[in-house]
Amino acid sequence: EPEVTQTPSHQVTQMGQEVILRCVPISNHLYFYWYRQILGQKVEFLVSFYNNEISEKSEIFDDQFSVERPDGSNFTLKIRSTKLEDSAMYFCASSDEGLYEQYFGPGTRLTVT
Amino acid sequence: RKEVEQDPGPFNVPEGATVAFNCTYSNSASQSFFWYRQDCRKEPKLLMSVYSSGNEDGRFTAQLNRASQYISLLIRDSKLSDSATYLCAVNEGTYKYIFGTGTRLKVLA
Repeated sequence: EPEVTQTPSHQVTQMGQEVILRCVPISNHLYFYWYRQILGQKVEFLVSFYNNEISEKSEIFDDQFSVERPDGSNFTLKIRSTKLEDSAMYFCASSDEGLYEQYFGPGTRLTVT
Repeated sequence: RKEVEQDPGPFNVPEGATVAFNCTYSNSASQSFFWYRQDCRKEPKLLMSVYSSGNEDGRFTAQLNRASQYISLLIRDSKLSDSATYLCAVNEGTYKYIFGTGTRLKVLA
């Protein structure tokens, strides 16, 4: 069964450092998403991406964040200068149509010290 | 009113019981609704989509009530393995989904 994969599973970084979280969506999917979940809190939408551009972003997704699809398979989330409050699980998801089911990757746990 | 609301629970039920959760949403233009299951520190896993006519998958039944703006999930014959947090997701526009905070279910032996 096709699945979304994410690397690394856990990333520890120091405040102010840049991090890149990587995702490989399901191969025939066209819509890609990033979510985050702070421990004990709800899953929060960050950004959606379709046709090589951002479709929608939340107020959390400020200038410190960027997304890219550098090749035909990877989808990345970059945080330019991490803050303590960026510590969370970051989930990538993909779907084959805009309002269809989204399938989530296993997540990257980001710890900012 | 919050965009998507769920009773956080926990709902503690004995094995074999029937349990139901609701999820209310505020955007009357929402068209897509889903139930996900999330185990501790894991990713949300799609449980089922919620269609206007309602849908059933084994022991799970999902329904949509557009007039009152809520979706429901019914689990029959609860198993220990059903213990998890159940998240509802509702679309806002074409490219954005809002998740509820989740309802925790504990099925007791």
